[in-house]
Amino acid sequence: GQQVMQIPQYQHVQEGEDFTTYCNSSTTLSNIQWYKQRPGGHPVFLIQLVKSGEVKKQKRLTFQFGEAKKNSSLHITATQTTDVGTYFCAGPGTSGSRLTFGEGTQLTVNP
Amino acid sequence: DGGITQSPKYLFRKEGQNVTLSCEQNLNHDAMYWYRQDPGQGLRLIYYSQIVNDFQKGDIAEGYSVSREKKESFPLTVTSAQKNPTAFYLCASTAGQGGLEKLFFGSGTQLSVL
Repeated sequence: GQQVMQIPQYQHVQEGEDFTTYCNSSTTLSNIQWYKQRPGGHPVFLIQLVKSGEVKKQKRLTFQFGEAKKNSSLHITATQTTDVGTYFCAGPGTSGSRLTFGEGTQLTVNP
Repeated sequence: DGGITQSPKYLFRKEGQNVTLSCEQNLNHDAMYWYRQDPGQGLRLIYYSQIVNDFQKGDIAEGYSVSREKKESFPLTVTSAQKNPTAFYLCASTAGQGGLEKLFFGSGTQLSVL
C-alpha cells in the first residue's frame, strides 16, 4: 500500500532559526495536504498543494510540491514559540477516498 | 458554531469491557473518519464512512466496530478484542472524498486501560 514518510521525526531549534520538514511518498500523489497539531490539541488543516512544482506561502511558512508529485516540504522562516507543534503531511490513497498521514515532525522552539 | 464534537474527552476501559466513543458533526459532511494516534506517531485510519449506512475498514480495524445510521453521527466501539486500546482517538469529516478535500477534526478522546 501507499506509504508517506516524513523526516526528521523531531527538530529542536532556537527561536529565530529556520525549520524544514520533508515528506516523501512511495507513489505519485494527486495532491498533498499539511496539518499542524499543537501539543494536547487536534490536527488543523494548513494547506493543500495540487500542481507539480507548486509553491505556496502563508506568512513565514513556505510549502512546496515536487515536480514528480512524490515529495513535499514545509519551511518555516524565523521560527517563533507559536510554531511549536507537530506538522503532518498527508496524501490520498489509490482510491482517493482517504488520506494516509506521515508520522509527523515534532517541532520545539527554545525562546 | 459548526464543527465536530467528540465525547468524552477522557475514557477509561476495564479488562474485557467494550466502550463507545461518540462523534457528532453539524457540518453536513458526507464522509467521516476515525483515526488512532499513539504517542510520537502519526494518525492511523481505523474506519471510514462515505455515506450513511455504509463504512469501510481502514488500516487497523481489528478490535473496533462502527455504525453510520445518521449522517451526523459516527460512533466507534472499542471492543474487548482490542488488546492495546490506550491511545488518542480522533474523529474527522470532510465534505467530499477524504483524499481530495481537507479534513476537519474533533478535539479527540484519550482512552486508557484501568
